[in-house]
Amino acid sequence: DIQLTQSPSTLSASVGDRVTITCRASQTVHTWLAWYQQKPGKAPKTLIHKASILESGVPPRFSGSGSGTEFTLTISSLQPDDCASYYCQQYHGYWTFGQGTKVEIK
Amino acid sequence: EVQLLESGGGLLQPGGSLKLSCAASGFTFSSYAMSWVRQAPGKGLEWVSTISAGGRSTYYPDSVKGRFTISRDNSNNTLYLQMDSLRADDTAVYYCAQVAVPAAITEYFQHWGQGALVTVSS
Repeated sequence: DIQLTQSPSTLSASVGDRVTITCRASQTVHTWLAWYQQKPGKAPKTLIHKASILESGVPPRFSGSGSGTEFTLTISSLQPDDCASYYCQQYHGYWTFGQGTKVEIK
Repeated sequence: EVQLLESGGGLLQPGGSLKLSCAASGFTFSSYAMSWVRQAPGKGLEWVSTISAGGRSTYYPDSVKGRFTISRDNSNNTLYLQMDSLRADDTAVYYCAQVAVPAAITEYFQHWGQGALVTVSS
């Protein structure tokens, strides 16, 4: 099974900061990686697929990069609406999620 | 607009059974693989099952294999999850999700339902 490890588990930053979340896979997933945003009590929302392709309607301050075993999700200028948990997911070998990163505003 | 609406959640005792439904609209249901994902209270997301567009192929992680059965009714645009031999650690919100690409299986999940809560407790 392919394991995904996200870091950090929790992140606290100020409005306007650049924020980066890392996702590492236990073996290569090429670029078969997605990112999801989840707010408390809500369903996940798809942000990015194939490591770097932004879903329609997602603000351009979100971006994804990486290939193989190391990936990043970047928020270029953190906004209050971005307070949420973020999950990476690989879909190269069945499906696995990272454990999540909670983003808070300082 | 894609809509996925889960139903059938509830409270039941360990060892019991429950069947969740997910009513789909806004897309050609029979063209897409579908999945179930769960989230235990305060925990992360866990993939539970996936079924191919035509319903012939199904996939499960070891944690639910042999206890859960995914199925679909393409004539009624509905996805199901039959859960048997339920345990306390099956307590979670269960989401149905549309696999992103028509006819594909190993793709990301593009659209999600709002979730159904299943609580297993004595």
